[in-house]
Amino acid sequence: EAGVTQFPSHSVIEKGQTVTLRCDPISGHDNLYWYRRVMGKEIKFLLHFVKESKQDESGMPNNRFLAERTGGTYSTLKVQPAELEDSGVYFCASSTVHQGQGGYEQYFGPGTRLTVT
Amino acid sequence: AQSVTQLDSHVSVSEGTPVLLRCNYSSSYSPSLFWYVQHPNKGLQLLLKYTSAATLVKGINGFEAEFKKSETSFHLTKPSAHMSDAAEYFCVVSAITGTASKLTFGTGTRLQVTL
Repeated sequence: EAGVTQFPSHSVIEKGQTVTLRCDPISGHDNLYWYRRVMGKEIKFLLHFVKESKQDESGMPNNRFLAERTGGTYSTLKVQPAELEDSGVYFCASSTVHQGQGGYEQYFGPGTRLTVT
Repeated sequence: AQSVTQLDSHVSVSEGTPVLLRCNYSSSYSPSLFWYVQHPNKGLQLLLKYTSAATLVKGINGFEAEFKKSETSFHLTKPSAHMSDAAEYFCVVSAITGTASKLTFGTGTRLQVTL
């Protein structure tokens, strides 16, 4: 079974440009999450999809970030226009549908390292 | 609200000696706790999880962690370190509200294993 994949693995762009990150979750996983790690800081939650619906986007930094999950399969995270502070590693994770108590596992991709110069 | 504190940013041990990575948590609910590991250029991998069953949790690669409610701790241990254990380790707490869920990560502990 293929794991969570992310593309690209690295991206270097200039301030003001646009970048789109892609995440392909494990097949059949309805939950999809985006997280980000800025250098020297902890990994932080950005948002959570259940199928194609945004369940929780409380971690999105500002309106320069747009996440979509058309058809409930892969997801994209667009940053437009990019700023220097957007540099970091963006992780995607997926999990099966859960009910009630936690303990379900989120499966993570290798991340996309974004550098804004 | 919930949070985790990893008490050491770096830990160095000799191969064959015990490993102890410390984590304290804070949670308004009965927490679900996890340890994840990230090897260089790899994704985050789940080592083990606590979900209010047994307080001593065994994970992969010989790691285990003990949930201590009175101390709000969830320390990760391994009896004998191996060179392949060198990686960054994250203590994580989970919150579930309705059908939404998100993980809250600690700042990570980088484990170095020397010969």
